[in-house]
Amino acid sequence: NAGVTQTPKFQVLKTGQSMTLQCAQDMNHNSMYWYRQDPGMGLRLIYYSASEGTTDKGEVPNGYNVSRLNKREFSLRLESAAPSQTSVYFCASSPQGAGYNEQFFGPGTRLTVL
Amino acid sequence: DQQVKQNSPSLSVQEGRISILNCDYTNSMFDYFLWYKKYPAEGPTFLISISSIKDKNEDGRFTVFLNKSAKHLSLHIVPSQPGDSAVYFCAAKGISGNMLTFGGGTRLMVKP
Repeated sequence: NAGVTQTPKFQVLKTGQSMTLQCAQDMNHNSMYWYRQDPGMGLRLIYYSASEGTTDKGEVPNGYNVSRLNKREFSLRLESAAPSQTSVYFCASSPQGAGYNEQFFGPGTRLTVL
Repeated sequence: DQQVKQNSPSLSVQEGRISILNCDYTNSMFDYFLWYKKYPAEGPTFLISISSIKDKNEDGRFTVFLNKSAKHLSLHIVPSQPGDSAVYFCAAKGISGNMLTFGGGTRLMVKP
């Protein structure tokens, strides 16, 4: 049981390049999330997927797109990377429904955009 | 405007003493609060939580206190250990949905 896995762990991009961050969970959770962490800002929600087939914008969605490929996988795409997207990206998952409040996080992807 | 704030970016405590981490929120619709712990190069891990219908929740060395009237919660660690050195995030959840709103984090350093 690996929990939440993310690939790659590190990535360096040039301005304007595109890339996709991959996330998978093996806990049979319905909901999945993408966050970015910047110094002093905590974790800010980019996009989330409450269940397979649905996606919604979070607090900071501009410059990103997501795909909920199936129940296990939720990818984050940067179409044209900008230096402001230099950050650490975390994927998380959670069960859905009343009484389930905790989210489980992956190890993160450290992205640098030059 | 940050709805969840951790006003102390860092805290240094001697081993064996109490660590108190604070968190303030502005949204009265938050009904559940969580604390996460994060080590360098790892994802956050859940530590302890509290429902808005309670004012205290305890789990071993960790206790979370909630003061709804002041919109304030705190995490107490007693006794503090060097392995507790990490960044601690406070998070809040609204009545509907599973989304969490995080504070900016407090870096705790426990000195041997």
